[in-house]
Amino acid sequence: EVQLVESGGVVVQPGGSLRLSCAASGFTFDDYAMHWVRQAPGKGLEWVSLISWDGGSTYYADSVKGRFTISRDNSKNSLYLQMNSLRAEDTALYYCAKGPERSSWHQIGNNWFDPWGQGTLVTVSS
Amino acid sequence: EIVMTQSPATLSVSPGERATLSCRASQSVSSNLAWYQQKPGQAPRLLIYGASTRATGIPARFSGSGSGTEFTLTISSLQSEDFAVYYCQQYNNWPPRITFGQGTRLEIK
Repeated sequence: EVQLVESGGVVVQPGGSLRLSCAASGFTFDDYAMHWVRQAPGKGLEWVSLISWDGGSTYYADSVKGRFTISRDNSKNSLYLQMNSLRAEDTALYYCAKGPERSSWHQIGNNWFDPWGQGTLVTVSS
Repeated sequence: EIVMTQSPATLSVSPGERATLSCRASQSVSSNLAWYQQKPGQAPRLLIYGASTRATGIPARFSGSGSGTEFTLTISSLQSEDFAVYYCQQYNNWPPRITFGQGTRLEIK
């Protein structure tokens, strides 16, 4: 069974930094691209970032570009999100999600999310 | 940015009846559209991708249709466990500029 377990969410002050982790199991981690998606409390879903299966390519939503960095350690079956210069509007439940397989990850038409982890809550507040 | 608009915001339907949820894209996304179900306190679950392909384990009462800018998710005979929030998502760009609709809440009538 595919499992994704996020961790690292805490309360942090505006301007602060935080690193989220996502531990993957039940599938060959380095065969798949991975995403982060977030959901502000009581709100809808917002795509945050994508990383290729080998970590060589990364993409970001405009709202986080230059502040967040996605990375992965395939030897540890782990995905990360380094979050800097945090703002109140970054407050959200952050999900990791499995993306497309390595043979087609960079093509239009493959970037749906399945499955998702249970999420980790980041609160940015003074 | 491609804006996804879902309607209605809330849909009230009785168990056993059919539910029809709509999603409109501000420009064509071909068939690069997915639907998700989210229940309170849970992560979203993929229902449909490619506009009409059911994900693994999704019951046949869920069906998706449409292409271009107009899409529909139909639940043929509502079960109690189907009352939830539903989101559409487009993935028609490379580099990715993935966007979601704002959601439709499906509630018991």
